[in-house]
Amino acid sequence: GAVVSQHPSRVICKSGTSVKIECRSLDFQATTMFWYRQFPKQSLMLMATSNEGSKATYEQGVEKDKFLINHASLTLSTLTVTSAHPEDSSFYICSARMPSGSSAYNEQFFGPGTRLTVL
Amino acid sequence: EDQVTQSPEALRLQEGESSSLNCSYTVSGLRGLFWYRQDPGKGPEFLFTLYSAGEEKEKERLKATLTKKESFLHITAPKPEDSATYLCAVQINQAGTALIFGKGTTLSVSS
Repeated sequence: GAVVSQHPSRVICKSGTSVKIECRSLDFQATTMFWYRQFPKQSLMLMATSNEGSKATYEQGVEKDKFLINHASLTLSTLTVTSAHPEDSSFYICSARMPSGSSAYNEQFFGPGTRLTVL
Repeated sequence: EDQVTQSPEALRLQEGESSSLNCSYTVSGLRGLFWYRQDPGKGPEFLFTLYSAGEEKEKERLKATLTKKESFLHITAPKPEDSATYLCAVQINQAGTALIFGKGTTLSVSS
């Protein structure tokens, strides 16, 4: 159990285009999902916290108009990188938190990541 | 400022050579400490959660321990398949909040 998927796993796009990344919890409902970004040989940096049915909470320095997050259901959150530029190239990883009432509540399970390359 | 520091950055071991990875933290209020394994190009894989000083958890060749200032991930008789980056993360204050990650320790085990 506790499987999180991401799609696509890899995307290459031209500068100025928008890219949507999906994060799904496959076997549990996740009221909260998190989006992280990881640069080569660096740690995961939290971008935003996504709560189902409400607006995402963005970390300081993350542009909410550039990184649009939608958490429309208990199993799906999407991250859209709008007007992507080469500096947005990175490894984007989502995680989903087990729901309250679960024996694994408070544990976070990560997706496999999406490698974004902006040309 | 909340901080997580992992050492060493990289560690090379021979198969069967036991060692420990360190994660030291300075946070306002520790809710939990997490260990993950990350293979290249993949998302982190959950290993352990520790909540209080003195707590220990084991899984196969790995054992995680926690004190008030740091956590250790002990690797006993490692095998080449244990090669990966091991990430430590802390959760502060409120349950369910996001994690603050260290930069990781990249472990290479040669046969």
